[in-house]
Amino acid sequence: SQKIEQNSEALNIQEGKTATLTCNYTNYSPAYLQWYRQDPGRGPVFLLLIRENEKEKRKERLKVTFDTTLKQSLFHITASQPADSATYLCALQNRDDKIIFGKGTRLHILP
Amino acid sequence: NAGVTQTPKFQVLKTGQSMTLQCAQDMNHNSMYWYRQDPGMGLRLIYYSASEGTTDKGEVPNGYNVSRLNKREFSLRLESAAPSQTSVYFCASSDGGAVTNYGYTFGSGTRLTVV
Repeated sequence: SQKIEQNSEALNIQEGKTATLTCNYTNYSPAYLQWYRQDPGRGPVFLLLIRENEKEKRKERLKVTFDTTLKQSLFHITASQPADSATYLCALQNRDDKIIFGKGTRLHILP
Repeated sequence: NAGVTQTPKFQVLKTGQSMTLQCAQDMNHNSMYWYRQDPGMGLRLIYYSASEGTTDKGEVPNGYNVSRLNKREFSLRLESAAPSQTSVYFCASSDGGAVTNYGYTFGSGTRLTVV
């Protein structure tokens, strides 16, 4: 069955450092991979989308890589700030638009 | 812009009661979705609607029904609530198709407790 794996344990990063989150998947060939941010009591908010033929995508302090051979995506936040503390969800998308989500990784940026 | 609006925000039901969760979007999106989110389980798709007039089952449709009332509105109905349906429910919408760069837009959720 299709499976998405994100670190289930919380990630603690010192302010100013780069936070790196991992998303691995099996039994899936996504056309697109997306990353979302979710704050407590709120719905997920879309951050970035990367296509299967793209290796890397950047948006301000965010960088996403997508390796379809390793079946892995890495999500980087550079110059991290306490305001970046949240749960980050990886999502895989087929060409028919349906998305399946990972369970998310909680990120804590320590001041 | 309001984006995706869900009502109610909180609800407590007794086992066996019925209710409808409402969702409306003002972005002229074609596709709409209902997810539930449970601790340790992540977001799971209940039903979706690729366009007005169509609905399809997702991963966990049992115990639910949906109606795509028009392009803006997509409701989720629990006919006979069970404690296993205690969850946070999210509605989402998207442009649909393979060219979107904007992902899904989610509502703020409905926190449902069935006692």
